[in-house]
Amino acid sequence: KQEVTQIPAALSVPEGENLVLNCSFTDSAIYNLQWFRQDPGKGLTSLLLIQSSQREQTSGRLNASLDKSSGRSTLYIAASQPGDSATYLCAVASGNTPLVFGKGTRLSVIA
Amino acid sequence: DAEITQSPRHKITETGRQVTLACHQTWNHNNMFWYRQDLGHGLRLIHYSYGVQDTNKGEVSDGYSVSRSNTEDLPLTLESAASSQTSVYFCASSAAINTGELFFGEGSRLTVL
Repeated sequence: KQEVTQIPAALSVPEGENLVLNCSFTDSAIYNLQWFRQDPGKGLTSLLLIQSSQREQTSGRLNASLDKSSGRSTLYIAASQPGDSATYLCAVASGNTPLVFGKGTRLSVIA
Repeated sequence: DAEITQSPRHKITETGRQVTLACHQTWNHNNMFWYRQDLGHGLRLIHYSYGVQDTNKGEVSDGYSVSRSNTEDLPLTLESAASSQTSVYFCASSAAINTGELFFGEGSRLTVL
């Protein structure tokens, strides 16, 4: 059974700092990995989707990498801003089941 | 623009009552999903459907049911609401089963008293 872990559960950084969020998964036979953002009281918004054949994806200040063999993904946020404050979740597609989610990392960027 | 909408956004009900949460998507996606989100548990899959007349149980399906009579809608029914079903419920859809991007609704907050 696929399990997804995100560490740390919460992170607080000053504005302008570059930061890395971590995601690990137990079964490396994945189809893809997605990173989502969730603002309080809102639904999830897809940020980046990495297919199993890819090593990384970039969107603006966000860069996500995937290392299937080690069961890890990182989300790199450059030059963080207060507007980046949110919960970030990763989710993995594998086997015959829909996406399995980690519990998320709650990010606070302090001005 | 295509979207996925959930209703009601907030509902308070009593233990034992039947409750239905609606989910409607205009993406024309075959795949639709219901998750619940609770503090300490993250997002957990309740039921999902890969097309009309197809439904499947997820990790926490007890006490819930779904039906898929058309592509656009996947209503979630709580047959006899329990306090343990107090949660935020999210509906999602995708075009491809295991390779597609997942799109979420805004969520339905359900309180069972």
